[in-house]
Amino acid sequence: EILMTQSPATLSVSPGESATLSCRASQSISTNLAWYQQKSGQPPRLLIYGGSTRATGIPARFSGDGSGTDFTLTISSLQSEDFAVYYCQQYNKWPLFTFGPGTTVDIK
Amino acid sequence: QVQLVQSGAAVRKPGASVRISCKASGYGFTDKYLHWLRQAPGQGLEWMGIINPKNGNTNYAQKFQGRLTLTRDTSTTIVYMELSSLESEDMAHYYCARDNGIGGWSRGVFDYWGQGTLVTVSS
Repeated sequence: EILMTQSPATLSVSPGESATLSCRASQSISTNLAWYQQKSGQPPRLLIYGGSTRATGIPARFSGDGSGTDFTLTISSLQSEDFAVYYCQQYNKWPLFTFGPGTTVDIK
Repeated sequence: QVQLVQSGAAVRKPGASVRISCKASGYGFTDKYLHWLRQAPGQGLEWMGIINPKNGNTNYAQKFQGRLTLTRDTSTTIVYMELSSLESEDMAHYYCARDNGIGGWSRGVFDYWGQGTLVTVSS
C-alpha cells in the first residue's frame, strides 16, 4: 500500500495571504496525484489531478506541483471560502487508492 | 448537470447489513466508473470499491472483501453498496463518487460526489 503523508496538519493563514500545503508519497507515483477540498458537512470537491491540472470550475488561485514522491498545493490570496480541509490522494496503483490524513487551513 | 443522489441516513445494529443507493444523472451512466468511499467522524477518507456500470465488474479494497457488494441497475441508473456484518467501526459517512476517466477506463480520480449517507451502528 502506498502511504500518503501531509504537512502541516494545520495551517493558520490570514485572508489574502497564500498557503502552501505539502503531500508526500511513500514511493514514486509519477504525477498520479489529486487534491480535494472538504468543508464541514460537505463531500470532498476535486481541485487538482495529474499533479497540476485544475478540475472544471476551479479558480486559478489553486495550483499544484510536483512529481515522484513530493507534491505541493498552493492557494494564492486566500478567500474566506478557502478555509477547509485539504486531502491529497494517489491513484498510481489501480485500484489501491489512498489518501493523506489532510491539512486544515484555518483563519489566523 | 451531473448529480449523484444518495439514499438517506441509516441506523443498524451490530452484525446487521446496510444497503445504500446512489442515483446518477446528467451523464451517460455506463460511460463512467463509480466508486464508494467512507469517512468516519472526524477522520480521513477511505476507498472501498469500484464498479463498472457498463458490465457490473467490481473491485474491492482487501479490507472489505467478503462483506462489501456493489451492484448496479442500468434501467434506473442506480448503484447500490451493501456492507454486511456491521461493527461500530463501520459508523461513517458513505459516499459514492464518479471516476473522471475517459474512453471507458478508470483513472481513479473522483470528480463528482454524492451528498453522503451517514450510517450509525448501535445496539
